[in-house]
Amino acid sequence: EAQVTQNPRYLITVTGKKLTVTCSQNMNHEYMSWYRQDPGLGLRQIYYSMNVEVTDKGDVPEGYKVSRKEKRNFPLILESPSPNQTSLYFCASSQKWRIGAYNEQFFGPGTRLTVL
Amino acid sequence: GQNIDQPTEMTATEGAIVQINCTYQTSGFNGLFWYQQHAGEAPTFLSYNVLDGLEEKGRFSSFLSRSKGYSYLLLKELQMKDSASYLCAVRDDTGTASKLTFGTGTRLQVTL
Repeated sequence: EAQVTQNPRYLITVTGKKLTVTCSQNMNHEYMSWYRQDPGLGLRQIYYSMNVEVTDKGDVPEGYKVSRKEKRNFPLILESPSPNQTSLYFCASSQKWRIGAYNEQFFGPGTRLTVL
Repeated sequence: GQNIDQPTEMTATEGAIVQINCTYQTSGFNGLFWYQQHAGEAPTFLSYNVLDGLEEKGRFSSFLSRSKGYSYLLLKELQMKDSASYLCAVRDDTGTASKLTFGTGTRLQVTL
């Protein structure tokens, strides 16, 4: 089954304790992205990756890191989490973006993170 | 930067038609998406417009006017299961960067 998976689905942690949220897709997609979703603010892009070893900042990258060593995986790293990073996080992937192409993004199920 | 506006909430009756509007401002426009998101779930793709005009897909249609920076999602024959948030998202390609920016979403409540 074609899908994007994220782990963990739920996480409660404390300020300053490094954590990684994994994201994996089995559709051979070039493009992957991380979003956070907060009430009243909608989905905001944290980082995205156009292909292996190519990553770039989205709109809210502060406090996050990513890596893209393999095509299928795109982990999100919080080196020193803080309470303002409490949010619902979504990973998404799509085929390589081409002008006019049908570049539907497939979203993972989400990770609800609470930082105390 | 980008600015995307859509209404926060809408209410409509089962069986009716509802139109959800989205206006945007962007420098490197390269397509507009509509997604549906039920509470607590991931967004799911509804439509993609890159050229002006209407795209129809069953009960859902999406319209785009690039010159006006305007799109709408039209839902016909509303069903209770259509109660969800509807997200407008704009793709912006500038140089080598390619970003997707979402509006804050429109929460649609379908009533009997």
